[in-house]
Amino acid sequence: ILNVEQSPQSLHVQEGDSTNFTCSFPSSNFYALHWYRWETAKSPEALFVMTLNGDEKKKGRISATLNTKEGYSYLYIKGSQPEDSATYLCAFRMDSSYKLIFGSGTRLLVRP
Amino acid sequence: EAQVTQNPRYLITVTGKKLTVTCSQNMNHEYMSWYRQDPGLGLRQIYYSMNVEVTDKGDVPEGYKVSRKEKRNFPLILESPSPNQTSLYFCASSLLGYEQYFGPGTRLTVT
Repeated sequence: ILNVEQSPQSLHVQEGDSTNFTCSFPSSNFYALHWYRWETAKSPEALFVMTLNGDEKKKGRISATLNTKEGYSYLYIKGSQPEDSATYLCAFRMDSSYKLIFGSGTRLLVRP
Repeated sequence: EAQVTQNPRYLITVTGKKLTVTCSQNMNHEYMSWYRQDPGLGLRQIYYSMNVEVTDKGDVPEGYKVSRKEKRNFPLILESPSPNQTSLYFCASSLLGYEQYFGPGTRLTVT
């Protein structure tokens, strides 16, 4: 059974703090790692799709890194703002399948 | 406007009464997928489709059926719904290998 784990489960930070969280996935047969941002009462929105070991992606204050050999990805948010409050999901895809396996998410709350 | 639409958005039904949740996308995406979201469990994939007439099971396919007769549509069928299928359902689409675009969600309650 493939397992994708995210930590921490939830995180409360103050506005202006920088933060990061982790997605762990199987290190064998890697194909891609997705990150999504999911605000309450909305639908998940894509942040990044990462495919290469050592990949780094950036979108505004949010960035992500990927280590496929050890099976983890970090998502960083620099200078958190209240509008960054959301659940951040990662999803793993193996190279032999089009199936996507999601982690249970990290719920971020940024206090003003 | 590029979008994924789902209907209905909310549905309350009774055990055993067949229902279909429709999903449609206007982005010419090959890949479409259904997920359910339950508290504490994140998104779990039910079925996915790589193209017309090509579908495969996700992690939780029991009790569901799908079909992909046209590229834009990917309906989810519950032949005999049961209370454990009460959930929030999302449809998503993408180009193969790229980020997914999610529909607005369908909240289903089975009594």
